[in-house]
Amino acid sequence: QSALTQPRSVSASPGQSVTISCTGTSSDVGGYNYVSWYQQYPGKGPKFMIYDVSKRPSGVPDRFSGSKSGNTASLTISGLQGEDEADYYCCSYAGSLTYVFGTGTKVTVL
Amino acid sequence: QVQLVQSGPEVKKPGASVKVSCKASGYTFTGYYIHWVRQAPGQGLEWMGWITPNNGATNYAQNFQGRVTMTRDTSISTVYMELSSLRYDDTAVYFCARGGTSHAVEYWGQGTLVTVSS
Repeated sequence: QSALTQPRSVSASPGQSVTISCTGTSSDVGGYNYVSWYQQYPGKGPKFMIYDVSKRPSGVPDRFSGSKSGNTASLTISGLQGEDEADYYCCSYAGSLTYVFGTGTKVTVL
Repeated sequence: QVQLVQSGPEVKKPGASVKVSCKASGYTFTGYYIHWVRQAPGQGLEWMGWITPNNGATNYAQNFQGRVTMTRDTSISTVYMELSSLRYDDTAVYFCARGGTSHAVEYWGQGTLVTVSS
């Protein structure tokens, strides 16, 4: 199972928006509506941000939104804030109760 | 509140085995899958597999088949991940994490650094 492909880094100024892509195949991202996203600060454990492609757990700001088209899922952060500077990982269900993570994207707030 | 507390850092020689524990609290232990995910230094997250504490059923990622064993002790709400035949590239932080909402992982342990060094 190959890792899902994410851009290595994205950046934007405060208040702007960034979109992180997560590209897989029809066996994972494209085959199921079970993509989740995680935020990770350096030296910390990941934090659960999005599930089922676009649903937000309670407590996650509505600046974070998810979507999917074909084999590519996306996470958009609107109204970027300094605290959003972190690494972001997607994860997809890949059938047979297995999962695969993305390669990770570093978000930089300029 | 949900907590997953992992055992401390380990240093192992190549070829040895390591067993990492993850003690759960704040919820019904047998009600949720526990996943193991690792992160090599400066690298991304890698899913290793899961165990369901209810009956001990497991499912391992293909990359780890034959080298990883996940077990649980319901009497102390603890799951274990044992990785054998350690190689230098197994050096990583190993996280346990609780499933819950759909196919996502909601809660994460603090991570355990396993260093493989001669």
